[in-house]
Formats: sequence, structure tokens, C-alpha cells
Amino acid sequence: DVKVTQSSRYLVKRTGEKVFLECVQDMDHENMFWYRQDPGLGLRLIYFSYDVKMKEKGDIPEGYSVSREKKERFSLILESASTNQTSMYLCASRTNTPPNYGYTFGSGTRLTVV
Amino acid sequence: DAKTTQPPSMDCAEGRAANLPCNHSTISGNEYVYWYRQIHSQGPQYIIHGLKNNETNEMASLIITEDRKSSTLILPHATLRDTAVYYCIVRVAGYKLSFGAGTTVTVRA
Repeated sequence: DVKVTQSSRYLVKRTGEKVFLECVQDMDHENMFWYRQDPGLGLRLIYFSYDVKMKEKGDIPEGYSVSREKKERFSLILESASTNQTSMYLCASRTNTPPNYGYTFGSGTRLTVV
Repeated sequence: DAKTTQPPSMDCAEGRAANLPCNHSTISGNEYVYWYRQIHSQGPQYIIHGLKNNETNEMASLIITEDRKSSTLILPHATLRDTAVYYCIVRVAGYKLSFGAGTTVTVRA
């Protein structure tokens, strides 16, 4: 019954590497989101996409980019990983169709940058 | 965006009802109240949402006051698996969600 799948559960990367975090949803949802979660700071929105090839910056987009070439897939890219990007990354999706139920989240990717 | 206030933590006995309060005194007429929870090391899980009327589903009940300035999430028979951080969020439908600190609920045997 998996609906939002994140490609890796744990990831360790070196400073300066280009990192790709992949997210796939099988619910035909229009909207997809990337959050990061850090202790004491809650979940913070990085980027979101309302449709294929569309993207909008969230609250903390610096150091990140995204790609949405297909409806079911939303990728988060760390252009040059830094230690302050060590975090839990959460992907979510949501439909635009009423009655507009909530987000469905993936299990998260815990990224460590060394 | 309407701001929400939740207690930082609360305990509940297994098998008893858990009542989680949330204040949202600046809520506007077109903003919904959403509840999510996050069990340790997992992504947040949608629980329930409502606009004006009380709502119930298989997981919980949501009671919204008549003036809509506060709400209560009720877990009718708490189990150990309900131990989690619970988030109350107020948002216009269809807009992106922001998560605050939430309430850490610990269900004790």
C-alpha cells in the first residue's frame, strides 16, 4: 500500500557532491512538495510543484533545486552538498480534486553530509 | 497565515480518550483546520480536517468551536501506537501547509 516512495532511507554524501533525492507517487496527484525537518525547527518547505514542469520556491530554497519532468516524480537536487544540509528530507503529494484531503508523505530520507 | 498554539506535550492512559487542544484565534473564514501526526522516524500522517462542522473518521474526531477560534482533536481510545507528535495547522484549502512544533503525545500503559 505504498503511495509516496522516496528512493533512499539513509544517505551519506561528501561535501561538494551533487546529490539527487527522488520521490515517486502513484496516486496521480498534481501537487508535490519537498520539506526538510530538523530538531527544534519543525518541517520547513523547500520547494513545491503544482504541475508537471512547474515549480515554486518554498521558505528555504537556497542551495536546492528541483525537477518535475513527469507527474509522478519530483526530484530534489543539492547542487553542492554542505554539512548544514544534513537533515531529514520529506516528500509529499496532494491532489487538487475536492474534497481536498490532506498530504500523503513518504517515509523520509535521512541525509548526512560529511 | 493563521497561527496555531498547542501545548508542547501531554500524557494519556492507554484505552482512555485523548483530547488535544489547539487555539487559532486569528483564523479567517476560508481557512480549514488540519490535523497531522508524526510517529518517530516516519513521515507525517494526515488525520482529519474541517472547516466549521465537527468531523469524524476512523482515526479521530475533530470538534471546532462555534467561533472557530479553537478546536480539539479527540482520539477516542488511545493505544500505545498513538504515541506521536500531533500538528494542528490552519490553512486555506489547496495551499501549502506549514508545520509548527506540535504536541508530543505519550500514551502510557
